[in-house]
Amino acid sequence: TQLLEQSPQFLSIQEGENLTVYCNSSSVFSSLQWYRQEPGEGPVLLVTVVTGGEVKKLKRLTFQFGDARKDSSLHITAAQPGDTGLYLCAGVNNTAGNMLTFGGGTRLMVKP
Amino acid sequence: DTAVSQTPKYLVTQMGNDKSIKCEQNLGHDTMYWYKQDSKKFLKIMFSYNNKELIINETVPNRFSPKSPDKAHLNLHINSLELGDSAVYFCASSQVVRKGRTNTGELFFGEGSRLTVL
Repeated sequence: TQLLEQSPQFLSIQEGENLTVYCNSSSVFSSLQWYRQEPGEGPVLLVTVVTGGEVKKLKRLTFQFGDARKDSSLHITAAQPGDTGLYLCAGVNNTAGNMLTFGGGTRLMVKP
Repeated sequence: DTAVSQTPKYLVTQMGNDKSIKCEQNLGHDTMYWYKQDSKKFLKIMFSYNNKELIINETVPNRFSPKSPDKAHLNLHINSLELGDSAVYFCASSQVVRKGRTNTGELFFGEGSRLTVL
């Protein structure tokens, strides 16, 4: 059973469209990170959120941590083909030795 | 210079064999990890290790064992390989960054080692 559920699992959109990826859990996380992974490579960190309700922006990407620290969202505005990749949320659970637990991922394809 | 490097990148072997994957990090981090990514891209923690503590995910079979000759290296040894062990194995490292009660340290991943068991 995954602690973190991501939705949608797959998303194929046209360049210029907006999208939102969700990361949900029944557990409370002390912090949450979003990573992006491209084929043949390891995941790369995009952002870390710590405080409930926190919003962080990274160019066209907006990340939000839920007030209760159980969920998070990633919104991409005006998606570009370069945004194509696997997006992974990962939560730190203090009861699990502070290890990072990953969600199942969202595969995004942005068509030109 | 590659921050986290793992070898080999590809490994094809027969069932029942024993194999190792090596990992080195030159970031001076205090903690290293092994993750397994299956065909559905689910990334699952296997081990977390620093010079003080080894944390093992209880779902990992004891055929898998991490070996750390020093702080910059964490190798993964697998005994009696099974078909279900086929996956991409990622090594990662981080420096624990305490912010309040949580660790916000970023994970730096290697490029992965694709293991195929025939």
